[in-house]
Amino acid sequence: GQQLNQSPQSMFIQEGEDVSMNCTSSSIFNTWLWYKQDPGEGPVLLIALYKAGELTSNGRLTAQFGITRKDSFLNISASIPSDVGIYFCAGPISGTYKYIFGTGTRLKVLA
Amino acid sequence: SAVISQKPSRDICQRGTSLTIQCQVDSQVTMMFWYRQQPGQSLTLIATANQGSEATYESGFVIDKFPISRPNLTFSTLTVSNLSPEDSSIYLCSAPGHLNTEAFFGQGTRLTVV
Repeated sequence: GQQLNQSPQSMFIQEGEDVSMNCTSSSIFNTWLWYKQDPGEGPVLLIALYKAGELTSNGRLTAQFGITRKDSFLNISASIPSDVGIYFCAGPISGTYKYIFGTGTRLKVLA
Repeated sequence: SAVISQKPSRDICQRGTSLTIQCQVDSQVTMMFWYRQQPGQSLTLIATANQGSEATYESGFVIDKFPISRPNLTFSTLTVSNLSPEDSSIYLCSAPGHLNTEAFFGQGTRLTVV
């Protein structure tokens, strides 16, 4: 079945640093979604990507839809303490509106 | 975007009992989805709640354990029945945006079974 693997699994970064994470699959996706989940909360949609090669920003966040359609990348610039949380990628199961989620990247910021 | 409200936000239940989780969406949607997030894990889809027909369950999830109701286009319930400590998880309700190209989530229900 379709699976989404995220890298890195977790990371500590210094406040002010830029962060990069990625999401890869053995299958092609037509949509990539990136979410952030804070402790005790549901995932919040950050960025949606719909086209191969697409680059979309949301404030300090930038995400790209990989050209092969099998990967996506999320960058956070100038990280701040409130960026702490778990970041998930997600994509629709082929031919459906059901989404599968990546393994997650846990971000921890050192002030 | 869709605004989704879930309740309860958390509960502690005795083993062998059941918990029913409610999910309300602020607009009419054809599909609603229920996910489970086990401690430290990612989200796993349990089932699709269809209005006017039975829910569709993913592999590994059965109706007897996770009965779902969908009485109208804005509301759904998930019951987790015959609880055991392994059911301790966060349960999340989701609904698509109006173009069905995005998924929005409620705040989740944190269930602890003792």
